Amino acid sequence: EPEVTQTPSHQVTQMGQEVILRCVPISNHLYFYWYRQILGQKVEFLVSFYNNEISEKSEIFDDQFSVERPDGSNFTLKIRSTKLEDSAMYFCARGGSGANVLTFGAGSRLTVL
Amino acid sequence: RKEVEQDPGPFNVPEGATVAFNCTYSNSASQSFFWYRQDCRKEPKLLMSVYSSGNEDGRFTAQLNRASQYISLLIRDSKLSDSATYLCVVNVAGGGADGLTFGKGTHLIIQP
Repeated sequence: EPEVTQTPSHQVTQMGQEVILRCVPISNHLYFYWYRQILGQKVEFLVSFYNNEISEKSEIFDDQFSVERPDGSNFTLKIRSTKLEDSAMYFCARGGSGANVLTFGAGSRLTVL
Repeated sequence: RKEVEQDPGPFNVPEGATVAFNCTYSNSASQSFFWYRQDCRKEPKLLMSVYSSGNEDGRFTAQLNRASQYISLLIRDSKLSDSATYLCVVNVAGGGADGLTFGKGTHLIIQP
């Protein structure tokens, strides 16, 4: 059983539409992260979430992005108005035994048309 | 200058051979170093951390050279299942996982 479950595994959307990607960590961790990987490119940090608040965010994480942990369990990434360049694999991750060690979910592939 | 730089490959290596690749990093304040493995269209998975004294895990050996700002990964007796992209990951001192910087990866293909 995966430690971090992400849904949907693949979503196709039209440009300008809102998208919500979900992450469910199995065990009770405080640190969560969203990363993205555009096809053929490196994994890039988006945002970190600690104790139900945003801890850090990158330049990529602009006003179009938001994160929530609405029910204390699910961890969501919302993109308000998708652009073509948002097409990527989005990975949720939890902090591991060391603060620097990450366990990634299987990812959600977002395709914006 | 790229923060974490890797030879993208691909490295085509016969099964059973030894292969090594390096990764250079630009930030001299970097404190934590890792190798992650990523299979095609899958998530990255931690392969090993890289310690100052170097470390070994079975067929895998990682080394850190702070003076030259590079880390290396050596794979001995390579298996077909070692075929993957190997990601070099570096963290700046004091940063949590939000300080992790990933390289683009080195693609390794083990041939039978």
